[in-house]
Parts: sequence; C-alpha cells; structure tokens
Amino acid sequence: LAKTTQPISMDSYEGQEVNITCSHNNIATNDYITWYQQFPSQGPRFIIQGYKTKVTNEVASLFIPADRKSSTLSLPRVSLSDTAVYYCLALNAGGTSYGKLTFGQGTILTVHP
Amino acid sequence: DSGVTQTPKHLITATGQRVTLRCSPRSGDLSVYWYQQSLDQGLQFLIQYYNGEERAKGNILERFSAQQFPDLHSELNLSSLELGDSALYFCASSASNPGTRNEKLFFGSGTQLSVL
Repeated sequence: LAKTTQPISMDSYEGQEVNITCSHNNIATNDYITWYQQFPSQGPRFIIQGYKTKVTNEVASLFIPADRKSSTLSLPRVSLSDTAVYYCLALNAGGTSYGKLTFGQGTILTVHP
Repeated sequence: DSGVTQTPKHLITATGQRVTLRCSPRSGDLSVYWYQQSLDQGLQFLIQYYNGEERAKGNILERFSAQQFPDLHSELNLSSLELGDSALYFCASSASNPGTRNEKLFFGSGTQLSVL
C-alpha cells in the first residue's frame, strides 16, 4: 500500500471550507485515491475517489495535481456534524499489498461553533 | 445504512473464552474484509476473503480465524481471548475483485468486544 501522510489533526469553524492534504509519493500509475470518513464508534464511510485532476460530488471535492504525489480533500462550508476522522488511501501496485486495504492514522477534524 | 450487517453489536466475555462475530455483506458483494480498531492501534486490517477464498492476511493473531461461507456471509472467530483483544471489530464488503485500483469498501457498524 502506498504510504500516505496526513496531518494528525485540524480545527475549523462552522461555515468554513476545510482542505485536508494527503501525501502519497510512491503512488502507482493506475492507483486511485480514496477518502473515507469515520465518526466515533461507527465504521468508515466512503466519501470520494479520484484518479487525477478534480472530482466533485454532493459531499466533497478531491483535487489531484498532475504528478499525483498528493491529493486534497475539500469540504465546503463545514458544520459540526463534519467532525470526524478522515482517511486517505492509495493502493500500491507493489504486489505485496494485494487486497490489504490499510488505513493510516487519519486526520481528526474538529469543527467548532 | 451501508447494507453490511454485523452481529452482535456488543459482546462482553471473559478472558480465555471464544467468540464468533458474524458479517453479512451487501447484496452481490463477493469481498469481505475484517478490521480491528482499538484506541491505541487505529484501524488494523486483519484478513480478506473473496468468494469464499482467503485472499490477503494482515496482522491477524493465530488465535483468530475467519471464513467466508457459500452464501458469502463471513465469521471471525476469536479464541483464548485476552484483555488486549477488547476492540471494535468491523467488517467491510466490496463488489470489486481484491486489489482493484478503485475499490470501495462499505463498512458495517461493528461489534464492540469487551474482554473482562
């Protein structure tokens, strides 16, 4: 699995836009970048996935530069209910990680009133 | 609702005992993943099955075992339980073949295991 690096924690306020960046320097050519959200005592939930440039859905946007060594999850106008842990995943083409979808430590986002 | 069902939601048992956690994947999903989440270890990958066959193994202890049945539901068996096995155990399912670059996992709500 491509090693991903994210900030351990971030703080924001209601109504602000939040950008969480993930580094994945050794991402393989065909790998997609996937983000999950996890609330306390719940299973992670798929948020968004992309390969390059920009992807947008009803929840978030994902920006991936041309070199694909990083990606940024953008949450527009966050609310208190967006307080959660956000995980970035990038499956590595190394072969030894086949099937082992491994989550890193994630980013704890705290949204304040 | 992710469509993945895990039972039981809570389980309290004593050290040395054996328990079985059950997972029903989303309709049509062939892949099942098991994860363990504790406060100090984060979300740890345990094992993965695809259409009844074990496909990948993570940091799963020898005291733990799993299987996926012909109807695609899966069970995680934990034996000789220790205090440190107390954790949230999640099951996830996927429609994709393991290792697919754009695989998406759908998680159940987990089983909270407390070993006393």
